[in-house]
Amino acid sequence: DQQVKQNSPSLSVQEGRISILNCDYTNSMFDYFLWYKKYPAEGPTFLISISSIKDKNEDGRFTVFLNKSAKHLSLHIVPSQPGDSAVYFCAASAQDYKLSFGAGTTVTVRA
Amino acid sequence: DADVTQTPRNRITKTGKRIMLECSQTKGHDRMYWYRQDPGLGLRLIYYSFDVKDINKGEISDGYSVSRQAQAKFSLSLESAIPNQTALYFCATSDSVAGQPQHFGDGTRLSIL
Repeated sequence: DQQVKQNSPSLSVQEGRISILNCDYTNSMFDYFLWYKKYPAEGPTFLISISSIKDKNEDGRFTVFLNKSAKHLSLHIVPSQPGDSAVYFCAASAQDYKLSFGAGTTVTVRA
Repeated sequence: DADVTQTPRNRITKTGKRIMLECSQTKGHDRMYWYRQDPGLGLRLIYYSFDVKDINKGEISDGYSVSRQAQAKFSLSLESAIPNQTALYFCATSDSVAGQPQHFGDGTRLSIL
């Protein structure tokens, strides 16, 4: 049973607008949450992370929000750019350093 | 040069054949991982190793084996390949600090006929 779920397989957004990607998890032992971005024919690349002791982490155009009580996190991309078109994976880890991944959300940024 | 290198990048083979996928890294990380990606399932952990003498099963290790030949090298073997092992395989490395991200290779696309 998947412990990390991304319920939206795809997202289409206009250039310049906000992209919001959502992720839910079931394991209360998770204490680090990460977002990865993946282009075709390449491996996933790390984008941004958040520790369970925080509720927000920001890095340039990317912000991750964590709601521990709801076991929910989201990634905001503002403003969205054409180069942001990719598959985004949510991942989580507990003290054992292993990552559990969601199924991914394909983002398409329209000109 | 890539920090995490996987070979081959693509492989087509037949059912029953033995396959080895190789991974090498120049990042100096102790921890190495093998994942497979299937459509709609994300990445799932096959095996992981925290140092040269340490090998651990992940969530889907059946039908696979690994070898950690050196700190920088971690290979994945399919002893007798079957069609449902057709997938995209990724190797990753990480530092030994909690919360540090894993760094991925560009993957091996494996097709078993």
